[in-house]
Amino acid sequence: GESVGLHLPTLSVQEGDNSIINCAYSNSASDYFIWYKQESGKGPQFIIDIRSNMDKRQGQRVTVLLNKTVKHLSLQIAATQPGDSAVYFCAEISNTGFQKLVFGTGTRLLVSP
Amino acid sequence: GAVVSQHPSRVICKSGTSVKIECRSLDFQATTMFWYRQFPKQSLMLMATSNEGSKATYEQGVEKDKFLINHASLTLSTLTVTSAHPEDSSFYICSARDGGRGPVGYTFGSGTRLTVV
Repeated sequence: GESVGLHLPTLSVQEGDNSIINCAYSNSASDYFIWYKQESGKGPQFIIDIRSNMDKRQGQRVTVLLNKTVKHLSLQIAATQPGDSAVYFCAEISNTGFQKLVFGTGTRLLVSP
Repeated sequence: GAVVSQHPSRVICKSGTSVKIECRSLDFQATTMFWYRQFPKQSLMLMATSNEGSKATYEQGVEKDKFLINHASLTLSTLTVTSAHPEDSSFYICSARDGGRGPVGYTFGSGTRLTVV
């Protein structure tokens, strides 16, 4: 596989706080970057994506920032809720061949009431 | 919305036996499907890319003779773990790609928890 098999770091926040989850990606030629949310025992769920020619995109309560200079991606969640507790992964889509979706290391978000 | 059904959700098998996992796109045609493996507290690792009607493309380090992939139709891909061993115990997840929907077109199944005893 291509992703790094590291154990997940954890981010603990209080309900109502803003959360920032970071990710470093590997392929500077990737076309798209996506954030996924994964709850225990389930498959990943799409949150938001950003194209490589953009540096910011906003959704409902979420914002993704892309810094291509340092190959860094972040997900900001506003007014974090207990239901946001999950593991969050960044992923990148290669711009060649089968357009593989490759995952980065994830972050476990724990939201306390 | 796009739905991908993965079956079974859980399976326990004895060492040395084979297990087949199915991945179906229910409301769209998927020319490409991906198979991932996820160990506890780790990320999803891409195992192989499956294209309808052709041989799968395996990632480096993944044994193609052990993890047999068949993509016989535009809505079905199967992963067979052959001669399973305890170290193959993991969470296997498929993803089907709807090519017409861009980055949102990757839909995941709910995963299969494989335990080899």
